[in-house]
Amino acid sequence: GIQVEQSPPDLILQEGANSTLRCNFSDSVNNLQWFHQNPWGQLINLFYIPSGTKQNGRLSATTVATERYSLLYISSSQTTDSGVYFCAVVRQAGTALIFGKGTTLSVSS
Amino acid sequence: DSGVTQTPKHLITATGQRVTLRCSPRSGDLSVYWYQQSLDQGLQFLIQYYNGEERAKGNILERFSAQQFPDLHSELNLSSLELGDSALYFCASSVTGLAGVTYNEQFFGPGTRLTVL
Repeated sequence: GIQVEQSPPDLILQEGANSTLRCNFSDSVNNLQWFHQNPWGQLINLFYIPSGTKQNGRLSATTVATERYSLLYISSSQTTDSGVYFCAVVRQAGTALIFGKGTTLSVSS
Repeated sequence: DSGVTQTPKHLITATGQRVTLRCSPRSGDLSVYWYQQSLDQGLQFLIQYYNGEERAKGNILERFSAQQFPDLHSELNLSSLELGDSALYFCASSVTGLAGVTYNEQFFGPGTRLTVL
């Protein structure tokens, strides 16, 4: 099956710093989503981005489907950005998400 | 708030017992997915229902079963519970589970944290 790899596994930042999280996938995909899992365990949708670039406030994401990777950019990080960031892909439309292992982000003030 | 609801939020039970987790999808969503998040296995797909019918199975144990009712809510039944079943169980929904549909973003409920003692 398709493999989803995220890097780095862990990231420690000072408040105000910028960061880039990467997601590589081993085969073509129909859909890609980024999630933030907060310390309470909730999975929050960040981006639905099968291709192209999207921005939402301090966060932006780019997916280059032909090269099988996606990037999540976090600018001016805040302590509330802490948590685990997951990339997940769908191989075929209407099927289940396949998750990467996540990047754990810790932002300190 | 994603619009997907799950109950209960927490469940503590003993080995050998049976529990039922409940999920209500977002209004208008026909597809429901169940996922399990454990420390050693990460987030894994269990089973999918579309408009009342089972659509796909993932790594779901035979001790586990699910169904989707006419009002589209879904229940996940876990029986003969073992210590290793302790995990966070998520339900997600999407507009449709049909192949060929271009938009199928999935939205997750808050999860049910199951602890088996």
